[in-house]
Amino acid sequence: NAGVTQTPKFQVLKTGQSMTLQCAQDMNHEYMSWYRQDPGMGLRLIHYSVGAGITDQGEVPNGYNVSRSTTEDFPLRLLSAAPSQTSVYFCASRGGNSNQPQHFGDGTRLSIL
Amino acid sequence: AQSVAQPEDQVNVAEGNPLTVKCTYSVSGNPYLFWYVQYPNRGLQFLLKYITGDNLVKGSYGFEAEFNKSQTSFHLKKPSALVSDSALYFCAVRDLLNRDDKIIFGKGTRLHILP
Repeated sequence: NAGVTQTPKFQVLKTGQSMTLQCAQDMNHEYMSWYRQDPGMGLRLIHYSVGAGITDQGEVPNGYNVSRSTTEDFPLRLLSAAPSQTSVYFCASRGGNSNQPQHFGDGTRLSIL
Repeated sequence: AQSVAQPEDQVNVAEGNPLTVKCTYSVSGNPYLFWYVQYPNRGLQFLLKYITGDNLVKGSYGFEAEFNKSQTSFHLKKPSALVSDSALYFCAVRDLLNRDDKIIFGKGTRLHILP
């Protein structure tokens, strides 16, 4: 089982560039989410989705867009990258019931110059 | 709004000694509580959860946690620490009174087990 797969693992961008972080899961999970991890800040929720066609904002949504056209995929888009978006990004998924634990990908390490 | 606090940035424990990693939470309704562990350059891995019932829950790798409603705490414990337990530990909470289904994480506690 692949679980949650994130690509790319590393990326360097220049300020103002755009890119999409990919996330795919093969567990037929309804719930998917994106977090960013920064030193001393823990994990902060960016956006999440409770099913295909449904997305909602987390704690720190500004500068990021998401869509959920299929159950399997939940891409995160940076439309105009800023140095403040330098971080490690994690995608997670879980079954439909919120008492289920989340399964995390191994992260994308993003640097914005 | 729900929140979770991990008051210690780092905990140092000698190998073989018991360990405790602290977590307190704030919710409006009843909580679901989780502990995760993160090893270097990896995503978070689930350790254990409290949903309802017995206040002492047991999880992976010999870890356990005690839910204390009056103190709004969910501390992670292990009777005898291993060097391999050295990692970053996160507590997370879901407030059942919120319909938005968000799960909020603490800032993490780095656990160092000294040989």
